[in-house]
Amino acid sequence: QKEVEQNSGPLSVPEGAIASLNCTYSDRGSQSFFWYRQYSGKSPELIMSIYSNGDKEDGRFTAQLNKASQYVSLLIRDSQPSDSATYLCAVKAGAGSYQLTFGKGTKLSVIP
Amino acid sequence: KAGVTQTPRYLIKTRGQQVTLSCSPISGHRSVSWYQQTPGQGLQFLFEYFSETQRNKGNFPGRFSGRQFSNSRSEMNVSTLELGDSALYLCASSFNMGNTEAFFGQGTRLTVV
Repeated sequence: QKEVEQNSGPLSVPEGAIASLNCTYSDRGSQSFFWYRQYSGKSPELIMSIYSNGDKEDGRFTAQLNKASQYVSLLIRDSQPSDSATYLCAVKAGAGSYQLTFGKGTKLSVIP
Repeated sequence: KAGVTQTPRYLIKTRGQQVTLSCSPISGHRSVSWYQQTPGQGLQFLFEYFSETQRNKGNFPGRFSGRQFSNSRSEMNVSTLELGDSALYLCASSFNMGNTEAFFGQGTRLTVV
């Protein structure tokens, strides 16, 4: 059974700090990796996608992928109170299916 | 460009009834997936459709079914509703089934009483 594990948190960081969110996955055949942000009562919003090993930066967000260690992370620099949300890690196995397996999410709280 | 549209946004149904939820994907997107989100189980995959064909199905009972139309719009149906079916039902749209991104609609909040 494919599994995606995340620390449920809550993770509390002060405003302006770096928030580090981690995710591990069990299926070595996984090819696509995504981070979604979900505010309370809202639907998930895609913030980052990463497909190959290494880092991918987009504004204040950096996604890191290490397929050998089956590990994905998301760094949020200069954290803002508006970043307070639940962050969901999602993994897709490969072509031929768009089934995403989600972690339970990490709740991030940025303290002003 | 319009996003993913799900209707209705909220539903209250009685046990034993059935319900149909609708999803219109982003224009040009041909893949639609459905997920159930509950506080205890998180986001769980229901099924996915591409070119009007169900490509994959999650571990849900046969009471959950769906279909996709030629314009890529999709519906899901839940028959003989149970209290445990109360959840946020989310539809995700993607261009194809390859390495592309999926975007979620606002969801349908179903409450079964």
